Amino acid sequence: GAGVSQSPSNKVTEKGKDVELRCDPISGHTALYWYRQSLGQGLEFLIYFQGNSAPDKSGLPSDRFSAERTGGSVSTLTIQRTQQEDSAVYLCASSPRTGDPQETQYFGPGTRLLVL
Amino acid sequence: AQSVAQPEDQVNVAEGNPLTVKCTYSVSGNPYLFWYVQYPNRGLQFLLKYITGDNLVKGSYGFEAEFNKSQTSFHLKKPSALVSDSALYFCAVRPTGRRALTFGSGTRLQVQP
Repeated sequence: GAGVSQSPSNKVTEKGKDVELRCDPISGHTALYWYRQSLGQGLEFLIYFQGNSAPDKSGLPSDRFSAERTGGSVSTLTIQRTQQEDSAVYLCASSPRTGDPQETQYFGPGTRLLVL
Repeated sequence: AQSVAQPEDQVNVAEGNPLTVKCTYSVSGNPYLFWYVQYPNRGLQFLLKYITGDNLVKGSYGFEAEFNKSQTSFHLKKPSALVSDSALYFCAVRPTGRRALTFGSGTRLQVQP
């Protein structure tokens, strides 16, 4: 079946501009995660959505970052007033059920963001 | 703090030889441990996980991992490496009480023909 999809695959923007990154989880998956992969910081958690519960935003690096998940499916990660240090690969993952610790997270291909 | 460490930035192995990619962890409570692989310009692909039970876990593409509680390790292994196994490998732990994964720094595996 279809996996997690993300768009765009690559995004180049100028410093100070806003960007939106999209994630389509696997159909039926109720949990959705955003991670960031950068050279200096490795793979780091950003935000987690589970059903209709309030999201876990504990990984967001600043208030320029926000995310929403509409209708329990598609999610959009927004970065306002982008900075060069935001350049990274943004990965989305989903998992099937209620966030059970045993669950496997399935990752999308990522969006490569370059801020000039 | 709950974490994982991958002590090797890169592992080089000849095709056909066994390979080991090391991972050690530090968690409180029962560890939930995962291995993922990342090919160039691709997302992470799940290989295997340890939840409980048998210490030897078998996964995709012929990989396996051995959970060792006394050494707090979860090393990834394969009996015979392929050139196509060359990729970036990540060990991860799901800390107690959290849903997100905490990843190691990654190990680049290079299999030479």
